[in-house]
Amino acid sequence: QKEVEQNSGPLSVPEGAIASLNCTYSDRVSQSFFWYRQYSGKSPELIMSIYSNGDKEDGRFTAQLNKASQYVSLLIRDSQPSDSATYLCAVIDPGGSYIPTFGRGTSLIVHP
Amino acid sequence: SQTIHQWPATLVQPVGSPLSLECTVEGTSNPNLYWYRQAAGRGLQLLFYSVGIGQISSEVPQNLSASRPQDRQFILSSKKLLLSDSGFYLCAWTPTGREQYFGPGTRLTVT
Repeated sequence: QKEVEQNSGPLSVPEGAIASLNCTYSDRVSQSFFWYRQYSGKSPELIMSIYSNGDKEDGRFTAQLNKASQYVSLLIRDSQPSDSATYLCAVIDPGGSYIPTFGRGTSLIVHP
Repeated sequence: SQTIHQWPATLVQPVGSPLSLECTVEGTSNPNLYWYRQAAGRGLQLLFYSVGIGQISSEVPQNLSASRPQDRQFILSSKKLLLSDSGFYLCAWTPTGREQYFGPGTRLTVT
């Protein structure tokens, strides 16, 4: 059974700091990786996707992928209180049905 | 641009009553569509997905069913709700078969 593991948190960081969120996955053939942000009571919102090893930057967000170690991470620079949310990691393998496996999410709290 | 709608936004239903939740996508054709449930404090559970009209795949056998009567319409139904059906129901679509975009969700409380 495919598994995507995330530390549930909460991860608490001060405003302006770098928040580091981690995700590990069990299926070595996984090819597509996503980070979603979910505010309390709201639906998940896609914030980053990454498909190849290395770093991908988009504004204050950087996704990092290491397929050999089977982990993907999300860095949030200059964290703001508005970044406080649950961050979901999702992984898709190339099996054909394109069904993502989601982690349970990490709760991030950015305090002023 | 594409937009995904869900309704109702909230619903309170007694045990044993029927259910019908609707999802529609605008601005695209032949999208892959998905129904998820997120119970309180738990992760996303995929319930059904559809790659085309009338094509439904079930991931979790239970008292729920899904239908896709039109290209951009996806319906989640139940004949008799259980207490355990309470949760946040999310419809999602994908333009590429990879990244997914979620609707605003329906919060269902079964009493």
